[in-house]
Amino acid sequence: AQSVSQHNHHVILSEAASLELGCNYSYGGTVNLFWYVQYPGQHLQLLLKYFSGDPLVKGIKGFEAEFIKSKFSFNLRKPSVQWSDTAEYFCAVNLGYNQGGKLIFGQGTELSVKP
Amino acid sequence: DTEVTQTPKHLVMGMTNKKSLKCEQHMGHRAMYWYKQKAKKPPELMFVYSYEKLSINESVPSRFSPECPNSSLLNLHLHALQPEDSALYLCASSQDHGYSEAFFGQGTRLTVV
Repeated sequence: AQSVSQHNHHVILSEAASLELGCNYSYGGTVNLFWYVQYPGQHLQLLLKYFSGDPLVKGIKGFEAEFIKSKFSFNLRKPSVQWSDTAEYFCAVNLGYNQGGKLIFGQGTELSVKP
Repeated sequence: DTEVTQTPKHLVMGMTNKKSLKCEQHMGHRAMYWYKQKAKKPPELMFVYSYEKLSINESVPSRFSPECPNSSLLNLHLHALQPEDSALYLCASSQDHGYSEAFFGQGTRLTVV
């Protein structure tokens, strides 16, 4: 079955530390990949997306992610986190038309940034 | 306008009540979705509508009944719910049901008493 795995359940960092959140998916077909963020009490917002082309994609708020097809991975990075980055981060995979456009989410990583 | 609007924001209902959740988007998107999210868990897909037709039902109990009156509106009718159905219900839309990104609404926080 298709699945998305996020390696870290809860990450605690100090401000200015670097961030890397892992995401792996299991699906052999063509996928589109997303990172969503959910700030406390707010709705899911798109951070960045990969459809095709350059495997290094840049998103909002200084986030970037790298798609490594051979590793089925799409890790999220940020060189220097801020207190305002405290949120829940979800990796998601869209399986495309043949799967009815299903968007499957990983379990989420809670990021806490200490000021 | 990149908003998906959901009403109400909060809903408390008894197990014998009938209520409806509403979702609206004006982005011209042709796919709309209902997700259920429990605390500290990822959203779980419930239904997908593509071009106003139900294309996916993820084995959701019949006490949840979706409806898509037109391309901008999506409803979720609720009847005889259980306390374990208490959750955040999220609506989303995308350009189509293929690879395009999904835009999410703020959700309806549902409590079943």
